[in-house]
Amino acid sequence: GAVVSQHPSWVICKSGTSVKIECRSLDFQATTMFWYRQFPKQSLMLMATSNEGSKATYEQGVEKDKFLINHASLTLSTLTVTSAHPEDSSFYICSARDRRGPSYTFGSGTRLTVV
Amino acid sequence: AQTVTQSQPEMSVQEAETVTLSCTYDTSESDYYLFWYKQPPSRQMILVIRQEAYKQQNATENRFSVNFQKAAKSFSLKISDSQLGDAAMYFCAYRRGNKLVFGAGTILRVKS
Repeated sequence: GAVVSQHPSWVICKSGTSVKIECRSLDFQATTMFWYRQFPKQSLMLMATSNEGSKATYEQGVEKDKFLINHASLTLSTLTVTSAHPEDSSFYICSARDRRGPSYTFGSGTRLTVV
Repeated sequence: AQTVTQSQPEMSVQEAETVTLSCTYDTSESDYYLFWYKQPPSRQMILVIRQEAYKQQNATENRFSVNFQKAAKSFSLKISDSQLGDAAMYFCAYRRGNKLVFGAGTILRVKS
């Protein structure tokens, strides 16, 4: 089945620095990938839709300049949290849909801690 | 706007028993997909089951089955013969265009 690989699984960074999270579709091409944020015991909140070769589409209230998304190839999307602050600490998850089916596959998530 | 409602924040079930998790949704579309995802403590999202709205037959995957009531916009998940490994947070989701809209989730605890 479709596999989505997400790295790193966890990262700790200092306030003011930037951190990049990668999301790769391993056995299928994903023209669209999705980035979510999840707080403990809460649902997934869609942050943005990453479109291969074009600009990402951000959900209302999500800062484009803080959460930079790049989808340079059909198998790779990256999320860069710029000038991170402690309030950016969260669990970030990516997902993609293999066009051969209707379901979505998720990466294993990244736990970001900003200190 | 499409919304997904899971009214049970937490549920408990005895091992080997059956439990049903509820989900309702709101949509004006006639053709769509519904999903149940499981998120265990590892936090990996795992697809449990999906239902295509144009299919009247309820989807089934081994011990997992759904009760899909299109007119009532209800999509409940039944887990039979519950196992300890079923303990997780379960999310109901509706596919809106190319996006998934999730419910708030239900934490399922399995007692041995």
